[in-house]
Amino acid sequence: GAVVSQHPSWVICKSGTSVKIECRSLDFQATTMFWYRQFPKQSLMLMATSNEGSKATYEQGVEKDKFLINHASLTLSTLTVTSAHPEDSSFYICSAEGQWDYGYTFGSGTRLTVV
Amino acid sequence: AQTVTQSQPEMSVQEAETVTLSCTYDTSESDYYLFWYKQPPSRQMILVIRQEAYKQQNATENRFSVNFQKAAKSFSLKISDSQLGDAAMYFCADFGNEKLTFGTGTRLTIIP
Repeated sequence: GAVVSQHPSWVICKSGTSVKIECRSLDFQATTMFWYRQFPKQSLMLMATSNEGSKATYEQGVEKDKFLINHASLTLSTLTVTSAHPEDSSFYICSAEGQWDYGYTFGSGTRLTVV
Repeated sequence: AQTVTQSQPEMSVQEAETVTLSCTYDTSESDYYLFWYKQPPSRQMILVIRQEAYKQQNATENRFSVNFQKAAKSFSLKISDSQLGDAAMYFCADFGNEKLTFGTGTRLTIIP
């Protein structure tokens, strides 16, 4: 079945530094990947949609300069949290849409803590 | 804009019994898909079941089935013969306008 690998699973960084999160589709090509943010005991909020070879589409209220998304290949999308602050601490999840199925496979998530 | 509403923040059920989780949605799309996802403590999102809106027949996957009422925009999930491993957050989601919109979730507890 379709597998999406997300790394790292958790990361602690200092305030002001940048953190990169990777999302890879292991056994299929993902034309579109999605990045979500989930606060404790809350639902998933879509941050942006990334399409291979083009600029990401950000949801309203999401700072594109702070959350940089790159989808350079059909199997890899990255989310970089730039100049991280404690309020960026959250659980970030990616998902990928395969070309052959109308389903969405999710990565295992990344817990980001900014200290 | 799409909205998905789950009116039950928490539900509990005795092991081996049946429980139904509610979901309503609002979409202007004519062609859309509905999903139920499970998120256990590991926080991995797991697809439970999906329904194509153009299909009248309710989807079923083993112990999981849905009651899809298109006119009422209702999409409830029935879990039969509940097992301890079913304990999780359950999210209803609507795919339309090229993205998934999630409800606020229902935390399901299984009572041994």
